Amino acid sequence: NAGVTQTPKFRILKIGQSMTLQCAQDMNHNYMYWYRQDPGMGLKLIYYSVGAGITDKGEVPNGYNVSRSTTEDFPLRLELAAPSQTSVYFCASSYTGQEVGYTFGSGTRLTVV
Amino acid sequence: GEDVEQSLFLSVREGDSSVINCTYTDSSSTYLYWYKQEPGAGLQLLTYIFSNMDMKQDQRLTVLLNKKDKHLSLRIADTQTGDSAIYFCAESITPNFNKFYFGSGTKLNVKP
Repeated sequence: NAGVTQTPKFRILKIGQSMTLQCAQDMNHNYMYWYRQDPGMGLKLIYYSVGAGITDKGEVPNGYNVSRSTTEDFPLRLELAAPSQTSVYFCASSYTGQEVGYTFGSGTRLTVV
Repeated sequence: GEDVEQSLFLSVREGDSSVINCTYTDSSSTYLYWYKQEPGAGLQLLTYIFSNMDMKQDQRLTVLLNKKDKHLSLRIADTQTGDSAIYFCAESITPNFNKFYFGSGTKLNVKP
């Protein structure tokens, strides 16, 4: 049981480049989330999905896009990378009942130069 | 979003107790959580407490909730060097969907 798998683990982008951060879970969780973690800050919700075909914005969605074509996958797309998007990105998933909490991936460290 | 605040650093000696504190602003929080993040890893759920509880104990971990003061604490008894990590407090407000608000994390340093 792999849990939540994120790829890549590290990436350096130039300003204006695009990339997709991959996230996959094998627990049949219906909820999936993308967070970013800036140094000394808490996690901020970028986008979330409550099921295949359904996505919605979180607190900081600008500059990002998501899709959820399957239950397992929830990729995060950066179209025009900016230095302000330098951060650690975490994908998480959960199954309904909020008392269970999230299962997190190990993160993607992105640097935009 | 909601404000969840934590102190940034805590340093203790091995064998002592650690107390990590958190304050939150939304009185309609339903669940409150403590997560642990080790270097280079994702967040791992340690424990949680429902908002109608005052205390929850799980082995070396004790969670105290003061709903009147909107104050949550995590006590780690007999702190070990393996407990060195960043600890995040989080609250969940909306009962219909798992939307969490995280604090900025408290870095716990355990000295041998």
